[in-house]
Amino acid sequence: GAGVSQSPRYKVAKRGQDVALRCDPISGHVSLFWYQQALGQGPEFLTYFQNEAQLDKSGLPSDRFFAERPEGSVSTLKIQRTQQEDSAVYLCASRLGGGSQPQHFGDGTRLSIL
Amino acid sequence: TQLLEQSPQFLSIQEGENLTVYCNSSSVFSSLQWYRQEPGEGPVLLVTVVTGGEVKKLKRLTFQFGDARKDSSLHITAAQPGDTGLYLCAGGNNAGNMLTFGGGTRLMVKP
Repeated sequence: GAGVSQSPRYKVAKRGQDVALRCDPISGHVSLFWYQQALGQGPEFLTYFQNEAQLDKSGLPSDRFFAERPEGSVSTLKIQRTQQEDSAVYLCASRLGGGSQPQHFGDGTRLSIL
Repeated sequence: TQLLEQSPQFLSIQEGENLTVYCNSSSVFSSLQWYRQEPGEGPVLLVTVVTGGEVKKLKRLTFQFGDARKDSSLHITAAQPGDTGLYLCAGGNNAGNMLTFGGGTRLMVKP
C-alpha cells in the first residue's frame, strides 16, 4: 500500500495477557518510530529503528514493552503482562531517510485492557 | 526532557472567525512540525519549519517559528467547519530520532 499500515486496528485484551502490534512501513523507508497516544493527549515517543537497528528505546515505559524490526521492514511492538494503564492508541510512523524528512503515520492500533 | 505546551487545549468558534494556536517550550528544537489528526486516524503533517523566525503559509493557515526556535504559532483565517480537528505541534531534536509532541488543541468550527 501507499501508506503506513498497522494491524490490528483494535485490540481488546484482559489484564495480564500479552499482545503484539504490527506495523508495515512505507516501502523503502529506513526509519521507523513507535508512539503511544493516551486519550485526549498528544503522542509520546516510545522507540526508533534505523533499518533493523533499534537506536533509541528511551521512551519504552517498562521492560514489559519490547519492539523489534528483524529484517528492517515490518516492526512488531509487544507488550507483556498488560496492565490497564497500557490502554492507548499505538501509532507507528516511518521516514524515508534522515532527520529533516517528514514522518508518515499509520492510523494506529487502539488497545483496550480490561 | 523536552516539553511542548499547547494552548488553548480546546477552542470552539463560529465559521468565519480567526484563531491562533500556540506551542511553547523552554527547549530549543531543530525543527517544528504541525500535524492535524482526525478521530481514528494518524496525524497528518501540515508543515515543517526549521529556521528561527520562519513564516509559512498554507492557504488560510499561517505558521510561524519563533526567533529562538522555542515556540511556534498556527493562525487560521476565516475558519471553516472542515478545519475541525486536533492540531498537534511537534518538535524535532538534532539527532532526528524522535518528535516531542504537544498535548494538542482540539478545534471545533461551527457552521
